[in-house]
Amino acid sequence: GAGVSQSPRYKVAKRGQDVALRCDPISGHVSLFWYQQALGQGPEFLTYFQNEAQLDKSGLPSDRFFAERPEGSVSTLKIQRTQQEDSAVYLCASSLGAGSTTEAFFGQGTRLTVV
Amino acid sequence: QKEVEQDPGPLSVPEGAIVSLNCTYSNSAFQYFMWYRQYSRKGPELLMYTYSSGNKEDGRFTAQVDKSSKYISLFIRDSQPSDSATYLCANPNTGFQKLVFGTGTRLLVSP
Repeated sequence: GAGVSQSPRYKVAKRGQDVALRCDPISGHVSLFWYQQALGQGPEFLTYFQNEAQLDKSGLPSDRFFAERPEGSVSTLKIQRTQQEDSAVYLCASSLGAGSTTEAFFGQGTRLTVV
Repeated sequence: QKEVEQDPGPLSVPEGAIVSLNCTYSNSAFQYFMWYRQYSRKGPELLMYTYSSGNKEDGRFTAQVDKSSKYISLFIRDSQPSDSATYLCANPNTGFQKLVFGTGTRLLVSP
């Protein structure tokens, strides 16, 4: 595809429900990043993949958050037992080189609302 | 204290005005300084970035870095209604594996 694609664009989950958010990076991009953007805030780093390896998961807020990229392309961010504080836009970004966060392209995000 | 601080605004200006957007940062290790623009319900897009101190110009946009005071600015000349968006400053960490963003400043340019 032409850009980073995220699905779904919008997700409403009942508190306690599990959700899975998908990211399709630009084809051939080695690096993939997940960010969380709360309302009125800047994006906050969650995790970083280089191909299929998750090299940094220091930003994941709790063990309810889990991300994977098993074949080094598509990535899924899973949130278990969602809480109201998980409501945010989840942004995915990808870049061609390893660790080249300065050249990353962002997707449009998935807006998660937990009710 | 957050590593990157930014006034959330909103900043409202008339069309044609010169806009000044500012950030301060606390981490002396930051070497790259980036500005992103984010339209409503869209992802951030990179506007420009600078390395170290000094100015960088790109069309109507000028980025300025003062490392001695840990202060970065983005100037927009001849502002247009299409410039209405949230502007985020950001710095990559040492390993370039993550970006540290400011809160973002919402800019409204009225016709």
